[in-house]
Amino acid sequence: DGGITQSPKYLFRKEGQNVTLSCEQNLNHDAMYWYRQDPGQGLRLIYYSQIVNDFQKGDIAEGYSVSREKKESFPLTVTSAQKNPTAFYLCASRKWDRGSGGLSYNEQFFGPGTRLTVL
Amino acid sequence: DAKTTQPPSMDCAEGRAANLPCNHSTISGNEYVYWYRQIHSQGPQYIIHGLKNNETNEMASLIITEDRKSSTLILPHATLRDTAVYYCIVRPFNQGGKLIFGQGTELSVKP
Repeated sequence: DGGITQSPKYLFRKEGQNVTLSCEQNLNHDAMYWYRQDPGQGLRLIYYSQIVNDFQKGDIAEGYSVSREKKESFPLTVTSAQKNPTAFYLCASRKWDRGSGGLSYNEQFFGPGTRLTVL
Repeated sequence: DAKTTQPPSMDCAEGRAANLPCNHSTISGNEYVYWYRQIHSQGPQYIIHGLKNNETNEMASLIITEDRKSSTLILPHATLRDTAVYYCIVRPFNQGGKLIFGQGTELSVKP
């Protein structure tokens, strides 16, 4: 089955430790995204990548880092510099329509999320 | 900031149509309206999107006003499984496809 996987579903870390969240997709999608969700709030964009070896900061990138070495994978590292890392983290991917001059309307597909708790 | 305004919560009786409104008065001519929903502790699920024409798929219908300043998502026969938070999103033009989520409408479908 095609889809997006995130692992693990629940993650616990001690304060001051870096932690890397996994996101893998087998949909052959070009673009991938990381969002953060706090209780009762909508999603906020952390980082996104439109092609391999390239990524851009989203609205709340401070304290996070990413890499995009393979098309299928877009891991997110939550560093010790992130002040409030406890949250629900969601990864998404999208097929990039290169032929439409930026007017691509392909929807984003989301993974099941990782709930990170920093103790 | 989100460019949409939605009521925080709505109720709907099972089997009836659920009509979820959304205001997006500052929408630009090349910005699409997207709807997603999120069941508790899961990833958001795409429902439908549109530019200016009304759209329908197997899940829902999207009605966009002629001036494009508001829209309504219609679930024609709501079931208990449609209980979720529904997000109306105006996707920014030429920004890598990112979505800006507001707080959405929490729809409760009751028996």
